[in-house]
Amino acid sequence: QKEVEQNSGPLSVPEGAIASLNCTYSDRGSQSFFWYRQYSGKSPELIMFIYSNGDKEDGRFTAQLNKASQYVSLLIRDSQPSDSATYLCAVTTGGNQFYFGTGTSLTVIP
Amino acid sequence: EADIYQTPRYLVIGTGKKITLECSQTMGHDKMYWYQQDPGMELHLIHYSYGVNSTEKGDLSSESTVSRIRTEHFPLTLESARPSHTSQYLCASRASGRVYNEQFFGPGTRLTVL
Repeated sequence: QKEVEQNSGPLSVPEGAIASLNCTYSDRGSQSFFWYRQYSGKSPELIMFIYSNGDKEDGRFTAQLNKASQYVSLLIRDSQPSDSATYLCAVTTGGNQFYFGTGTSLTVIP
Repeated sequence: EADIYQTPRYLVIGTGKKITLECSQTMGHDKMYWYQQDPGMELHLIHYSYGVNSTEKGDLSSESTVSRIRTEHFPLTLESARPSHTSQYLCASRASGRVYNEQFFGPGTRLTVL
């Protein structure tokens, strides 16, 4: 079983809709959770991190964490074509290792 | 913008050549990482370092070696390049101290081995 699981997609949403990206993790000791965005041919860049149960909002992005269910999600409101990218979920147990998921490809259709 | 640099950005080289991919960061981060990523595919951890003179192999054995003689510098060496090494190589760094410290990625080196 992989440390971090994501649906590879592709996920397609119309412009202006809410995109919902999901991630599950296997280690109950996981402490911090990150969402990265990666455009084709570019490096991953951080969108948000979360480490407490509940929701964390930053502009159009909301990260949701449920440690009991070992589940973290990213909601993108008012999706724009510029949001089309691969979204990587990453988890750390507090040590030195980052565990990345395989990524979910999102396409926002104008 | 993260202060992490990789050179060269693009490299085309023949089979059997020895190559070194450079990675430097000016943020004073003690943790550094090398990943390999094929287009549209997942990140594979090749090597990582927790500090000077500390290196570990990751999940993917790519027949490469690393060194960490200085905090800011983490070069990756392929002793004998093969076509199977054709890929994108990403370097990243991370500060210690807080569990929510992110990894910062460099721009990557796209390697083609003919």
